[in-house]
Formats: sequence, C-alpha cells, structure tokens
Amino acid sequence: QVQLVQSGAEVKKPGASVKVSCKASGYTFTSYGISWVRQAPGQGLEWMGWISAYNGNTNYAQKLQGRVTMTTDTSTSTAYMELRSLRSDDTAVYYCARVRVGFDPWGQGTLVTVSS
Amino acid sequence: EIVLTQSPGTLSLSPGERATLSCRASQSVSSSYLAWYQQKPGQAPRLLIYGASSRATGIPDRFSGSGSGTDFTLTISRLEPEDFAVYYCQQYGREYTFGQGTKLEIK
Repeated sequence: QVQLVQSGAEVKKPGASVKVSCKASGYTFTSYGISWVRQAPGQGLEWMGWISAYNGNTNYAQKLQGRVTMTTDTSTSTAYMELRSLRSDDTAVYYCARVRVGFDPWGQGTLVTVSS
Repeated sequence: EIVLTQSPGTLSLSPGERATLSCRASQSVSSSYLAWYQQKPGQAPRLLIYGASSRATGIPDRFSGSGSGTDFTLTISRLEPEDFAVYYCQQYGREYTFGQGTKLEIK
C-alpha cells in the first residue's frame, strides 16, 4: 500500500537547523510531488511548500522563504525538508504528504521541539 | 493568497444527527480545487473529499461535499461515533491554503 514514513522526533536549540526525512513506498515516487505541512501545538495546519519528485522544482510558502529547503533522493524514494535558524515558534509536528488531487496519504508526523 | 474561513468553529451534535460544515474562500477557487480532511487527536489528517465533491478512496458515502466558487460545504448525513474530530478545508487551485478548522464534538 502507499505509505510515507517519516524520521523520528527532534529536539533543537534556537538558531539550529533540522532535517526531516519522508520515505515513500508503494508507488512510483517520481510520478507525484510531495508537500510539507506543519501543525503547532493545538493549532491548525500550515502549508510549508511543495517539491516535484520528478524534476526537483520547488514552491515555498512566502513566510518561510530563505529558511526552508526541500529536496528529494529518487534513488531511495525519500523526500527531505530542512528548516534553518530555528525559533521557538517553529515547534510543531511536521508532516509530509503525497500531492495528487489533495494530499493523500500523509506521513505519521515528526515532532520538532525548539527549546533552549 | 486565498484565505479560507470555516464555520462554525465548534459544532456540538449527537450521533445519528446530520452535520453541515461550511468553508468560504476570499476569492473564487479555480476548477473547484477544494478538499476536506478529517483529523483525530494524535493522528495525521486524512483526505475525505477532493474536487469539492468527489469522495476519496475508502470514504463512507455518509460524507458528501458540495459547492463552487467561494462557498463550499461538507455534509455528514448521519453521524457515527468515529466521526467526531476536527475537519479542515483546503484549496489547491493557487498554491495551497487551509481553513482554520471546525471541531465536531459530541453533544
């Protein structure tokens, strides 16, 4: 079955960087894009950006431009999201999702905690 | 940026009742590129509806979506205990944005 499996929880200090992975299985990885969405504690969903697994084209949310980089490794069917210059308000669960008509399926989520 | 506003913020109903959730866009959503998601505590969101009215694979037919332009509705015809959750709308016609969510709680 189609599945996205993300890397484990991270604890980072302010100013550091984090890189979250998302390994896809059950479909042809290069046929679909991957989006990243985050959810702060008790809050709603925030779209972070999208990457084409076919050619690596990206589109980032304006709010995160300059701090986020999304990449893929087609040899391992894995997508990555790196967020730099972390702040306390970056504390959230980070999700990857396959992009079709809507986002389906989603990864299980990765909790990133930013704390001194 | 297209802003999506969901109402009500919280909806209190009993199992067996009908639920009607609203999503209003600040601009017309092209080609009805509107989706609905369900999220339960501690879980990732799940796609319910895409293209405003098409059910995703495996979604029960008590879930239905309707609307076009700037006004969209998710209807759950007869609530089951497992339907109590938070629901989000999303537009994917121009980049991607989510509504703030509607919490459907047991009355």
